[in-house]
Amino acid sequence: EPEVTQTPSHQVTQMGQEVILRCVPISNHLYFYWYRQILGQKVEFLVSFYNNEISEKSEIFDDQFSVERPDGSNFTLKIRSTKLEDSAMYFCASRRETGKNEQFFGPGTRLTVL
Amino acid sequence: DQQVKQNSPSLSVQEGRISILNCDYTNSMFDYFLWYKKYPAEGPTFLISISSIKDKNEDGRFTVFLNKSAKHLSLHIVPSQPGDSAVYFCAASEYGNKLVFGAGTILRVKS
Repeated sequence: EPEVTQTPSHQVTQMGQEVILRCVPISNHLYFYWYRQILGQKVEFLVSFYNNEISEKSEIFDDQFSVERPDGSNFTLKIRSTKLEDSAMYFCASRRETGKNEQFFGPGTRLTVL
Repeated sequence: DQQVKQNSPSLSVQEGRISILNCDYTNSMFDYFLWYKKYPAEGPTFLISISSIKDKNEDGRFTVFLNKSAKHLSLHIVPSQPGDSAVYFCAASEYGNKLVFGAGTILRVKS
């Protein structure tokens, strides 16, 4: 069964460094998302992406964040200058079609900022 | 942001019995509701969904009920199995946009 994959599973970085989190959505899906979950908190929306552009972003998704779909399969989240509070699990999700908003999630990347 | 609330942090159920997980929402514009199951260090796994034009959706042991007037939905698992032990998240969306999640309920099924 097709699934969303994410790499790396765990990323440790120093504050102020740039990180790129990678995702391969399910191949026939058209809509792509990033969510994050800070330890002990809710899963929260960051950004949605459709037709090669951002369709919605949250207040969290400030100028330090960017997303890209560099080719037909990868979907990346870049954090330009990481802060301690960026430490969280980051989940990529994708969905296929309009009408049914069933989003399928990857296993997540645990980002630790020191 | 308390648009989706799961007021029970945890629930313990005997194997074979029914598990009922509850969720309330405040945004009347939500038109699609989903339940996800999550194990530690894994991503949320989609379980079942329901559109606001329905009041019930069933898939095997899982049934979701939606009461729009009360802005309440519930997930029933019958019969409960030890493998169902996980965190269950309720989520809602408006016009196919972002998912808004509840805080989750930890379900423990005792054998």
